[in-house]
Amino acid sequence: DTEVTQTPKHLVMGMTNKKSLKCEQHMGHRAMYWYKQKAKKPPELMFVYSYEKLSINESVPSRFSPECPNSSLLNLHLHALQPEDSALYLCASSLQTAANEKLFFGSGTQLSVL
Amino acid sequence: GENVEQHPSTLSVQEGDSAVIKCTYSDSASNYFPWYKQELGKGPQLIIDIRSNVGEKKDQRIAVTLNKTAKHFSLHITETQPEDSAVYFCAAPNFGNEKLTFGTGTRLTIIP
Repeated sequence: DTEVTQTPKHLVMGMTNKKSLKCEQHMGHRAMYWYKQKAKKPPELMFVYSYEKLSINESVPSRFSPECPNSSLLNLHLHALQPEDSALYLCASSLQTAANEKLFFGSGTQLSVL
Repeated sequence: GENVEQHPSTLSVQEGDSAVIKCTYSDSASNYFPWYKQELGKGPQLIIDIRSNVGEKKDQRIAVTLNKTAKHFSLHITETQPEDSAVYFCAAPNFGNEKLTFGTGTRLTIIP
């Protein structure tokens, strides 16, 4: 199994809603990532988890709250988002957190904030 | 930190012809250079990568070449097919902050 699975594929939410994005991998990878991608731009790193501990937070607003319940799962909790937060949210994993490790991406969650 | 520049931003190629996308990087310590393909509505998928101990790597119609002296690497796609139409991103490691730095992307369109 070389897949990173993300749910849901699409999400529309209001600015007062609370929602969660989910990500799962069964490749035994110990590093998991959240990226944000705006249209026609490269992915931007948000968070990195290494061995289930948050190792990098790229100064992301607190309305985005990551969680790593175990080595296979990664969640991103969303609360009080703004319309400018609308984007494709990508989960990724790698064997370790080294910058020269192969990165495997999921298909993403297309988020629209109204 | 690492700076990655990618050219061209858009590329249209007749089906069956070759396509070449080039990236330059700034950190001479970089030693790993992946290429990702992103189709519409999907996440980026690793299609080929190269480490700095080799100058070229091939996988069927796809090849990557690396020139460490000039600090650039290129993606070559031969005998292009409609399914090659996608956005392609190069990347290079930033060892200062253990992140992968992506290029700005190339939208490749294969004209039937």
